[in-house]
Amino acid sequence: DAGVTQSPTHLIKTRGQQVTLRCSPKSGHDTVSWYQQALGQGPQFIFQYYEEEERQRGNFPDRFSGHQFPNYSSELNVNALLLGDSALYLCASSLGQGVYEQYFGPGTRLTVT
Amino acid sequence: AQKVTQAQTEISVVEKEDVTLDCVYETRDTTYYLFWYKQPPSGELVFLIRRNSFDEQNEISGRYSWNFQKSTSSFNFTITASQVVDSAVYFCALTLMNTGFQKLVFGTGTRLLVSP
Repeated sequence: DAGVTQSPTHLIKTRGQQVTLRCSPKSGHDTVSWYQQALGQGPQFIFQYYEEEERQRGNFPDRFSGHQFPNYSSELNVNALLLGDSALYLCASSLGQGVYEQYFGPGTRLTVT
Repeated sequence: AQKVTQAQTEISVVEKEDVTLDCVYETRDTTYYLFWYKQPPSGELVFLIRRNSFDEQNEISGRYSWNFQKSTSSFNFTITASQVVDSAVYFCALTLMNTGFQKLVFGTGTRLLVSP
């Protein structure tokens, strides 16, 4: 039973560039959430996707956007990268819209130079 | 707004010592869930426990135990007879029940170092 997978593992980008991160949820899960974890901090909620729609959004600018595909996998896009976007980006999956434990992937470490 | 505070930034213990990680939360809602996650150096958050606001019964799972007290808005985590493998960052998190989706609000984490 495959858990949550994310790609790539590490990424280095330059300020102003755009980046796409990918996530495949745990088998059987249909809900994907994205979190940003800055160094030494707890994860911060970016948004959640369910039924291919963004259901809720945290306090992040429109430069952060996402998408969910029919197979429930998801992408996180960040435009016009800033140095402050350097962080570990975590994807979590869960089943449905109830309060179930979220299963997290290993994350993508993004470094913006 | 919801908030989770983990005042202990880092704790160092020697193997076999007991250690308690503190978590204090803030919410005006009466229905919510509390979680603990473990983040080893690999980065992946590992689910440890979920408790709902209706159930204040303490829970024990092997060497792990949790003390939930609504009167003090605390959800503390104790590791008995700590082991080197327990070294990680531990996060406490909160989510509301009635929003129709699950947004976890995390604390800043407590780094636990267990030395042999």
